[in-house]
Amino acid sequence: RKEVEQDPGPFNVPEGATVAFNCTYSNSASQSFFWYRQDCRKEPKLLMSVYSSGNEDGRFTAQLNRASQYISLLIRDSKLSDSATYLCVVNIWAAGNMLTFGGGTRLMVKP
Amino acid sequence: SQTIHQWPATLVQPVGSPLSLECTVEGTSNPNLYWYRQAAGRGLQLLFYSVGIGQISSEVPQNLSASRPQDRQFILSSKKLLLSDSGFYLCAWSPSTGYNSPLHFGNGTRLTVT
Repeated sequence: RKEVEQDPGPFNVPEGATVAFNCTYSNSASQSFFWYRQDCRKEPKLLMSVYSSGNEDGRFTAQLNRASQYISLLIRDSKLSDSATYLCVVNIWAAGNMLTFGGGTRLMVKP
Repeated sequence: SQTIHQWPATLVQPVGSPLSLECTVEGTSNPNLYWYRQAAGRGLQLLFYSVGIGQISSEVPQNLSASRPQDRQFILSSKKLLLSDSGFYLCAWSPSTGYNSPLHFGNGTRLTVT
C-alpha cells in the first residue's frame, strides 16, 4: 500500500463547477499536511496547508479527517486556470521534515 | 524573501556521460535541502536530503550522489548516466526549524539521457 494515495483522474469539470479530491495516508503518525499544485512541466507550488480544524483560502477549502486518515480539497466555482495536477503531501515529524507526496490528481476545467 | 535557483533548465546528455546539477538558496541560512526526481507521468521521488554542510542522506540507492559544499548550495551528480536517469529533477528547501514547514521548489531541470 502506498503511503499517500490519490485518484489520478483526470477529473473533467465545466467552468463554475465544484470539485473535490480526496487523499488517503497510511501512517497514523503523520502530523502535517499540504496541498500542492503542479502545472504541466513545472515545479510543484504550495497551494495551502491543511489544519486540523479545516481551513479555507478563497475558493479552496481543505479538510483533515484523522480518524479515517484522509484529507480533502474542495474547489468551488472552478476556473479554467485551475486546470493542473493537485498533489497531496504528508509529513511524518518523527522522520524529520520529510514530506511524502501522493501521485497527484489531474483536474481539467472545460469552458 | 527567500529564493531558490536551479540550473540548467534543460539538459540532454548521452548515456555514460557525467552529470552535475546545481541548486542555491538565498535569503535564509542553514536550510534543509532536498533533491527530488519526477519521471514522466509519475509522482515525486525523494533522492537526497541534507540538514547541513556535508550532511547528506540518501533515500534511494542508485548511481547518483549529492554534495553540500556550502550552506546554501546543493549539487546532484553522476559519474555515468543511465537511460533510466531521465526525468524532471527538482531541488527544494525548507526552514531548518519547525517540522510543520512546506517545501519550496526550484524551477527544475528536465534531463533527457539519450
